Amino acid sequence: GAGVSQSPRYKVAKRGQDVALRCDPISGHVSLFWYQQALGQGPEFLTYFQNEAQLDKSGLPSDRFFAERPEGSVSTLKIQRTQQEDSAVYLCASSLGLDGDTEAFFGQGTRLTVV
Amino acid sequence: KNQVEQSPQSLIILEGKNCTLQCNYTVSPFSNLRWYKQDTGRGPVSLTIMTFSENTKSNGRYTATLDADTKQSSLHITASQLSDSASYICVVSRFSGGYNKLIFGAGTRLAVHP
Repeated sequence: GAGVSQSPRYKVAKRGQDVALRCDPISGHVSLFWYQQALGQGPEFLTYFQNEAQLDKSGLPSDRFFAERPEGSVSTLKIQRTQQEDSAVYLCASSLGLDGDTEAFFGQGTRLTVV
Repeated sequence: KNQVEQSPQSLIILEGKNCTLQCNYTVSPFSNLRWYKQDTGRGPVSLTIMTFSENTKSNGRYTATLDADTKQSSLHITASQLSDSASYICVVSRFSGGYNKLIFGAGTRLAVHP
């Protein structure tokens, strides 16, 4: 596609519900990042994929968060047993280079609200 | 600790005026510094990327400067337009674990009024 696409754009989940957020990166982009952005704050790193390999998951806040990119293209961020503090915008970014040093292109994000 | 701090937190200017946003960082090892524009409800869009050896880079009415010695950067916006209203985020790229990790500032929220 022309850009990074994320779905859904908005998600309202009841506390305790599981959610899955999807990211379609730019075709051919090797690097894929997930970020969490709280209201009024800058994005915070969650995890990084190089093709299908998850090279860094140090930013995932708890074991309720899980991300995968099984075929090195589409990625899914899953949050189990959602809690109110999980409410945020989840941004996905992709870049062409292997080491993430080239320009990163961001999707519009998924705004998750846990009620 | 690897941090990026921006000032001011928010800024209101009149259309046509210039403004300068500041960024201080303590990120190491430094790879590059980027400025992003984020419109409300959208993902960040890259304005400039500067490496250690570059001290200024322009993109239209946006000019970024970098002083790697003092670890400071600025983003100057000339002849502001209403469409410049957005958050401007300073991002420092840090090489760690075999790849470049982006460290984001909290952003400066700019409002341009007619």
